[in-house]
Amino acid sequence: KNEVEQSPQNLTAQEGEFITINCSYSVGISALHWLQQHPGGGIVSLFMLSSGKKKHGRLIATINIQEKHSSLHITASHPRDSAVYICAALEGQGAQKLVFGQGTRLTINP
Amino acid sequence: DVKVTQSSRYLVKRTGEKVFLECVQDMDHENMFWYRQDPGLGLRLIYFSYDVKMKEKGDIPEGYSVSREKKERFSLILESASTNQTSMYLCASSTDRTGSYNEQFFGPGTRLTVL
Repeated sequence: KNEVEQSPQNLTAQEGEFITINCSYSVGISALHWLQQHPGGGIVSLFMLSSGKKKHGRLIATINIQEKHSSLHITASHPRDSAVYICAALEGQGAQKLVFGQGTRLTINP
Repeated sequence: DVKVTQSSRYLVKRTGEKVFLECVQDMDHENMFWYRQDPGLGLRLIYFSYDVKMKEKGDIPEGYSVSREKKERFSLILESASTNQTSMYLCASSTDRTGSYNEQFFGPGTRLTVL
């Protein structure tokens, strides 16, 4: 069993739909990272959060430390949001290493 | 903005060749990482470094070595490339500075093919 699990693995939706990607982890973490990877490979950091909720434009990330669960939401989805979304847990306190989920491939159709 | 650059986007090498992948960051970050990414396996840590001349093995160090002679530069070396090292290689950096949560910033990746 992976220490960081994402669901769903693949998600296809229509433009405008509200999107939710889930991440559950079994390790003790100090923070959780949401990353976006477009075709071509480059990875962009979306959020790093250790509690509560963060919002950036149409993207919202939440984390529940007690339940060891985080969600990434996309409102008013657009075809340019099509990418692989990866959650990664920073283990323990003062840790440097990330434990990665397998990624969720999101496709938004026009 | 943090910028992490990698020396090549695409590289083709032959089995047995020595391969150098270079990574440079411009934000004075203490920590640097090398990952490989393969379909179905996700991102896996090869090596990381938390200071100049310091290195630590990640999850899959076999067949690789690293060098960090300057703070901004972290090199990944394949001593004798093999076909099973065909992969996407990603470099990242992070800082220990207060409030950063050690957020990692990634380079664009190098797609290496070993023939």
